[in-house]
Amino acid sequence: SQTIHQWPATLVQPVGSPLSLECTVEGTSNPNLYWYRQAAGRGLQLLFYSVGIGQISSEVPQNLSASRPQDRQFILSSKKLLLSDSGFYLCAWSPGTLTAQYFGPGTRLLVL
Amino acid sequence: GIQVEQSPPDLILQEGANSTLRCNFSDSVNNLQWFHQNPWGQLINLFYIPSGTKQNGRLSATTVATERYSLLYISSSQTTDSGVYFCAVVYGNKLVFGAGTILRVKS
Repeated sequence: SQTIHQWPATLVQPVGSPLSLECTVEGTSNPNLYWYRQAAGRGLQLLFYSVGIGQISSEVPQNLSASRPQDRQFILSSKKLLLSDSGFYLCAWSPGTLTAQYFGPGTRLLVL
Repeated sequence: GIQVEQSPPDLILQEGANSTLRCNFSDSVNNLQWFHQNPWGQLINLFYIPSGTKQNGRLSATTVATERYSLLYISSSQTTDSGVYFCAVVYGNKLVFGAGTILRVKS
């Protein structure tokens, strides 16, 4: 069966520091991968999605970037964190474009 | 873009009560999912339902795509049903979420 992992689970970072969040999927190949952010416990906003290695689509202009160095690995990064980057970051995968999405456990990021 | 509206925004139930959550969407969609977000933040897939009715235990969902709405029914609610329920529609190649319904079940 397929599983999706995210780490770290929680992170506290100072403003201006870099960020790297990792997401990996097991038990499937060539998945679509997604990064979402949830602020204040309501509503998820799609940040990035990828349909293949090196293919990244950005949904919202922001201080973040994403990369997919391997088939089942998706990384969310920032060179300099802002206070507004605080939130709950969720990674998801799907077997195809119009199929169900399955979410990882998430990373809680607090920027101070 | 598409609008996804959920109602009610908040709901308090006594254990054992039934409830209906609604999701309206403003355009034709390719599919629809219902999720439950537990207190630890995990998003749990409940239903993937483009149309028709599906049931899973005490939960069932109905989507009427031609009228652009979906309903989630919770029967005989339990305290473990508490959390946030999200509707999300597959629009193009993206999943667009509603703002959610916060459900609290009291014992």
